[in-house]
Amino acid sequence: GAGVSQSPSNKVTEKGKDVELRCDPISGHTALYWYRQSLGQGLEFLIYFQGNSAPDKSGLPSDRFSAERTGGSVSTLTIQRTQQEDSAVYLCASSLGTGGPVRETQYFGPGTRLLVL
Amino acid sequence: AQTVTQSQPEMSVQEAETVTLSCTYDTSESDYYLFWYKQPPSRQMILVIRQEAYKQQNATENRFSVNFQKAAKSFSLKISDSQLGDAAMYFCAYRTLGGGADGLTFGKGTHLIIQP
Repeated sequence: GAGVSQSPSNKVTEKGKDVELRCDPISGHTALYWYRQSLGQGLEFLIYFQGNSAPDKSGLPSDRFSAERTGGSVSTLTIQRTQQEDSAVYLCASSLGTGGPVRETQYFGPGTRLLVL
Repeated sequence: AQTVTQSQPEMSVQEAETVTLSCTYDTSESDYYLFWYKQPPSRQMILVIRQEAYKQQNATENRFSVNFQKAAKSFSLKISDSQLGDAAMYFCAYRTLGGGADGLTFGKGTHLIIQP
């Protein structure tokens, strides 16, 4: 596609439910990033995928968070047993890969606003 | 770990005037990238400008230019001839060169208001 797309745009859920957020990167981009944007914490980096390689999960805020990337393209971020503090905007970004400023520049999707009641 | 500081939570400028947004960062690395992103109310984070730390020349993109002072670890954004469409949150961001598993480190942002 022309840009990074994310779905849903908005999600309201009840505390304790599981949610799945989807990210579709720019075609041809091998690197994919998830960030969380909240009023209290600002913009936080969560996880990075490069192609089909296993991601570094150390940035995920808790073990309730997991992410996967199928076929080196679409990624889903799953939050299990959601808590009110998970309420935030979840942003996805992609880049061509590594090796130079052009390849490493990240382009963002419109985000998913998650509200946990 | 790197940190990015934006000391101006909010700035206001008259349309057609020039405004400068400040950003400082802390790092022990010698090579890295710096970015300014714009986030309007639509939430879409839009790349404004990129600077490679190994380049002495300041980056420019039309009405947007930076003043990159590597020794001072300062990276300010100048917007000339401000337009109503420039109103947004502006975020300064840092990335390690060839960052691998590192994402961007962002500042807290500056809310830019354009007065008509």
